[in-house]
Amino acid sequence: EAGVAQSPRYKIIEKRQSVAFWCNPISGHATLYWYQQILGQGPKLLIQFQNNGVVDDSQLPKDRFSAERLKGVDSTLKIQPAKLEDSAVYLCASSLISRNEQFFGPGTRLTVL
Amino acid sequence: AQSVTQLDSQVPVFEEAPVELRCNYSSSVSVYLFWYVQYPNQGLQLLLKYLSGSTLVKGINGFEAEFNKSQTSFHLRKPSVHISDTAEYFCAVRVVRDDKIIFGKGTRLHILP
Repeated sequence: EAGVAQSPRYKIIEKRQSVAFWCNPISGHATLYWYQQILGQGPKLLIQFQNNGVVDDSQLPKDRFSAERLKGVDSTLKIQPAKLEDSAVYLCASSLISRNEQFFGPGTRLTVL
Repeated sequence: AQSVTQLDSQVPVFEEAPVELRCNYSSSVSVYLFWYVQYPNQGLQLLLKYLSGSTLVKGINGFEAEFNKSQTSFHLRKPSVHISDTAEYFCAVRVVRDDKIIFGKGTRLHILP
């Protein structure tokens, strides 16, 4: 069974630029999560989707971050414009249904200069 | 609100020695408890979980953890570590009947030859 796929694996941008990350969850998984993991900290949930609907985006900085999961499968997370403090690893995870075990992708490491 | 405290940011231990990674949590309601491992440049992988029942939980790779409700702790142990156990370990908590997982800041395990 293929795992959660993410791309790109690494991205370096300058502040005020835009960036987008892509996630392909495990086939059949209805729930998809985006986490932000700042160096030295644990992952923090940014947004949770159930199929193509948002369940929880309470910790998403909506002035600059956006995410979508239009067909209930792949998802993209966008930052526009990026700030220095956005430097982090962005992890995508999926689960069969909510409250089941979450499976994590390898993450995208973003560096904002 | 729930919180997780991992008391040690780094733990050095000699190969084949035992190790304990400490985790304490705070919650006014019932919770589920988890330990995840993150190998370098990889996503998180579930090591073990406590949902209910026996307070001693066994996981993958020879790890185990004990849930202690009176001390609100969920310490992770392994009797003999290997160089391949070099990774970051995250303790996490989820409120029963809720979706959100709260992660600790992580403990980096260094295996010394």
